[in-house]
Amino acid sequence: GQQLNQSPQSMFIQEGEDVSMNCTSSSIFNTWLWYKQDPGEGPVLLIALYKAGELTSNGRLTAQFGITRKDSFLNISASIPSDVGIYFCAGQEGETSGSRLTFGEGTQLTVNP
Amino acid sequence: DAGITQSPRYKITETGRQVTLMCHQTWSHSYMFWYRQDLGHGLRLIYYSAAADITDKGEVPDGYVVSRSKTENFPLTLESATRSQTSVYFCASAKRGGPFRDTQYFGPGTRLTVL
Repeated sequence: GQQLNQSPQSMFIQEGEDVSMNCTSSSIFNTWLWYKQDPGEGPVLLIALYKAGELTSNGRLTAQFGITRKDSFLNISASIPSDVGIYFCAGQEGETSGSRLTFGEGTQLTVNP
Repeated sequence: DAGITQSPRYKITETGRQVTLMCHQTWSHSYMFWYRQDLGHGLRLIYYSAAADITDKGEVPDGYVVSRSKTENFPLTLESATRSQTSVYFCASAKRGGPFRDTQYFGPGTRLTVL
């Protein structure tokens, strides 16, 4: 099946620092998604990317859909303590919402005040 | 607006027992999914459903059974639980239609421990 490599696996940063994480795939995806998971909760969608090269922002978050359609990155600027959690990338092969998602293994983010 | 709910939130059972995890969504989404989350594996798809009475296997279906008699419910059954099925289980739903613009929304999860 599809393989997604997400890096880094964990990050420990100081409040106010910028963060960058990325995902690469062995295959092409039509959609890239970034989710955040808080402890004891399900993943919550942060950003969805639908076109190669697309750059999308959501507040302090910015994500890009790689030109090759095999990679994506997520940046968080000026991190704050509530950014703590696990961030997952996910790739969607098909063109509708029912298409199966393949998830990366997650990046555990810790923000020290 | 209840969204998507799962029950129970926590369950402890014994090897060999049958366990059913419930998932209910109030959005009338066509698609529903079951994932399990384990350390080192991220989220892996167990089963999914495109509509009532339509289900299909995901990446790790062995040992699980699903049904979807109503659009809003998608129960997951472990017919004879094993310790390897100790995990956190997430249900998700997505609406049909409109290419690209819709995506999957997740429930809060069920933490299952098989002793």
